Amino acid sequence: AQSVAQPEDQVNVAEGNPLTVKCTYSVSGNPYLFWYVQYPNRGLQFLLKYITGDNLVKGSYGFEAEFNKSQTSFHLKKPSALVSDSALYFCAVRDPTGFQKLVFGTGTRLLVSP
Amino acid sequence: IAGITQAPTSQILAAGRRMTLRCTQDMRHNAMYWYRQDLGLGLRLIHYSNTAGTTGKGEVPDGYSVSRANTDDFPLTLASAVPSQTSVYFCASSDLRPGANVLTFGAGSRLTVL
Repeated sequence: AQSVAQPEDQVNVAEGNPLTVKCTYSVSGNPYLFWYVQYPNRGLQFLLKYITGDNLVKGSYGFEAEFNKSQTSFHLKKPSALVSDSALYFCAVRDPTGFQKLVFGTGTRLLVSP
Repeated sequence: IAGITQAPTSQILAAGRRMTLRCTQDMRHNAMYWYRQDLGLGLRLIHYSNTAGTTGKGEVPDGYSVSRANTDDFPLTLASAVPSQTSVYFCASSDLRPGANVLTFGAGSRLTVL
């Protein structure tokens, strides 16, 4: 069965510094990978996805993620963090059976300090 | 604004009572989903539907039922609520056309079962 792991419950970074939120995956076949963000008392919002092609994927709000097949990772990155980036981030992998069920990680809380 | 509407936003419910969480989308998406979000567990799929008239079980379906009478509506019913069903419930939808792959989420329904 497919799964994703987010090894960090929380990531702390100072504003202006680069940030990385880690995600590793396990899936048979070619992975479809996603990052979503959740702000307080809101639903999840799509950030970016990897389906095929370039390993570096660019998404909303200046975020990007790098697909690494050999390390089965899909880490979320941003060159310069903003306080407003503070939120809960979820990595997800699509069920390879063909129907678009997403399996989510447990989430990583990003806290950006001024 | 196109999207997903969930109701109620929040509800406190006595154990043993029946409860239906409503979900309506206006994007004409084929697929709809119900997830529950619990601290430390991320989002787990309860039930899904890939088209009107069909439904399927997700990771944690026990104690829940769904119906999909039309494209727009996907209600989730708790026949006899138990305290372990205290959670935040998110409805989502997606377009099943190739390359789409992205889920759109509602704002969530916070349910407390006492």
